[in-house]
Amino acid sequence: GAVVSQHPSRVICKSGTSVKIECRSLDFQATTMFWYRQFPKQSLMLMATSNEGSKATYEQGVEKDKFLINHASLTLSTLTVTSAHPEDSSFYICSARDQGQGAASPLHFGNGTRLTVT
Amino acid sequence: DAKTTQPNSMESNEEEPVHLPCNHSTISGTDYIHWYRQLPSQGPEYVIHGLTSNVNNRMASLAIAEDRKSSTLILHRATLRDAAVYYCILRDNSNSGYALNFGKGTSLLVTP
Repeated sequence: GAVVSQHPSRVICKSGTSVKIECRSLDFQATTMFWYRQFPKQSLMLMATSNEGSKATYEQGVEKDKFLINHASLTLSTLTVTSAHPEDSSFYICSARDQGQGAASPLHFGNGTRLTVT
Repeated sequence: DAKTTQPNSMESNEEEPVHLPCNHSTISGTDYIHWYRQLPSQGPEYVIHGLTSNVNNRMASLAIAEDRKSSTLILHRATLRDAAVYYCILRDNSNSGYALNFGKGTSLLVTP
């Protein structure tokens, strides 16, 4: 089955530093990838839609200069949390759809990245 | 987006069937009904999806009401590993670029 690999699974960083999270589709090509954030005991919240070769589309309230998204190839999207602060500590999850399948096909999710900012 | 309503939590005994309900009274003709689940500290996992007819796969069955305003995810024999949050989500078939919008889901507790 389709696999989405997300790396790292856990990261601890100091306040003010930047952290990059990678999301790769291992056995399929993904024109579009999605980035979510999940706080404890809450549901997933869509942060942005990442399109290969173009600028990402951010949801309302998500700062594009703080959460930099790059989707340079059909198999890789990255999310960089810049100048991280403790309130950015969260579980970040990416997902992708196989472009070779129909619009109704499921999304495939990475296993998430637990970010802790100290 | 059309909205779904699910119970906050449900409980089941191991090896018994579980029926997880979902109401989606404002569903449109192009909306597929998707179910995902999320185990603790993991990303969501696809379970099943359907449009009008009931669907079966190795993980579960999906029963869709004739008027499509509700559906039920059926786990035939719950195991401890099925303890997760189950999300019922409507996905518009007319645009493949749409993300999934997650509600609060149903937290399923499975007891031995």
